[in-house]
Amino acid sequence: SQQGEEDPQALSIQEGENATMNCSYKTSINNLQWYRQNSGRGLVHLILIRSNEREKHSGRLRVTLDTSKKSSSLLITASRAADTASYFCATDPDTGGFKTIFGAGTRLFVKA
Amino acid sequence: EAQVTQNPRYLITVTGKKLTVTCSQNMNHEYMSWYRQDPGLGLRQIYYSMNVEVTDKGDVPEGYKVSRKEKRNFPLILESPSPNQTSLYFCASSLSQGAREKLFFGSGTQLSVL
Repeated sequence: SQQGEEDPQALSIQEGENATMNCSYKTSINNLQWYRQNSGRGLVHLILIRSNEREKHSGRLRVTLDTSKKSSSLLITASRAADTASYFCATDPDTGGFKTIFGAGTRLFVKA
Repeated sequence: EAQVTQNPRYLITVTGKKLTVTCSQNMNHEYMSWYRQDPGLGLRQIYYSMNVEVTDKGDVPEGYKVSRKEKRNFPLILESPSPNQTSLYFCASSLSQGAREKLFFGSGTQLSVL
């Protein structure tokens, strides 16, 4: 079953604009992570936010977490053509298991 | 260099011919996992391992086997591949089962079963 669902499925913006991607999940979590994937290659970890945190920054990335709504957003500011990739949220459910569950991803295309 | 190494990168096989996809990590990670990625479905977990000789099923384990005899290696075995197992496969590892906070991924194995 899919824990995380990203929205939108695809996003096309101009270089310099901000890109916002959203993730919703179903069960309580320990943490939520965002990963990036370039064109069928392995995923790369971007940022992690814990269940007791509301916002986190890393360079041009800003992640928010709303546990009451079971949702998170990833904001990429001043996007660049090199940001073109697929972005996935992944959750670590608070169920006592050892799974990390990924959503279907958002495909971001940044036009130069 | 810290990395997760998967082999092969591409594999074409026929239905029923047993195959193994290897995965090795050099970071002394306890936790290792296999995922498959299909269009529109994201990554789905096949099996994971918390440590040597400790493995468990993910969400889509049918048709797959794994073993964890050494800490660094976590091979994925398809005893009798079928066309519905055509997919992009990823191995991943993290420091410990209690800290699956940053998964390191291999470069992927594109499998086609004819």
